[in-house]
Amino acid sequence: EVQLVESGGGLVQPGGSLRLSCAASGFTFSSYDMHWIRQPTGKGLEWVSGISTAGEIYYRGSVKGRFTISRENAKNSLYLQMNSLRAGDTAFYYCVRGGDTGYDYWGQGTLVTVSS
Amino acid sequence: QSVLTQPPSASGTPGQRVTISCSGSSSNIGSKYVYWYQQLPGTAPKVLIYNNDQRPSGVPDRFSGSKSGTSASLAISGLRSEDDADYYCSAWDDSLSGWVFGGGTKLTVL
Repeated sequence: EVQLVESGGGLVQPGGSLRLSCAASGFTFSSYDMHWIRQPTGKGLEWVSGISTAGEIYYRGSVKGRFTISRENAKNSLYLQMNSLRAGDTAFYYCVRGGDTGYDYWGQGTLVTVSS
Repeated sequence: QSVLTQPPSASGTPGQRVTISCSGSSSNIGSKYVYWYQQLPGTAPKVLIYNNDQRPSGVPDRFSGSKSGTSASLAISGLRSEDDADYYCSAWDDSLSGWVFGGGTKLTVL
C-alpha cells in the first residue's frame, strides 16, 4: 500500500525557517517524480515545488530563492526546506506522488502556520 | 488569482448532468494535458481525469473530460449526493515552468 507521511509542520514567526519531511513507502520511490502542494485553510490548491527522478527541480515563483526541495532515494524521503517564511506561506502542505495519471497519491498534509 | 479560471460554484440535482469549465492559455491548456481532481470535505484530493479525457481505474464513467483550444471541461452525469465536493483543474505551464491549478469549483448537489 502506497503511503506518504509528512512531518515537520508547526508554528513559526515571519522570517523563520522550517523543514518538512515526507516518508514514502509501498512503492519504488526513486522511480517517481515527487511534489509539494499546499492549500491554505478554506482555499484552493497551489503547486509549490517538484523534483523529477533525474533531479530536475521546479518552484512556483513566489517561493523561488526561499524554498529548497530535495530527495533522498536511499531513505525513501522527500524534503522541503523553507526559509524566510511569510504569512502567505501559511497552509497545509501535502507530499504528492506524480504518476502517469497525475498526482495519484497524497499524504495527509502537515500544517505550517507563519505568525507572530 | 489563479492562472486557470474556473467558476467558483456549480450545482445540480440528483440524476442531472453538470459541466465545470476551466479556461487557460496557449502556454498551459492550449499545449499541455489537463488533469481534474476531486476533493471531498476534510480529505486530500483524488485524480478524476488525466491526459484531458482519461479516467484512472476505479473512477466511474459518469465522470468525463474534454479539451478544446485553451479550455477544458469536466462533465458529471447522473449526479449523486457523494459528488458534492470541490473540483480543480490543473496543467503544466510552459511560461511559468511549473504546474498551475484552477481556483476550484464547489459543486453542490441539491
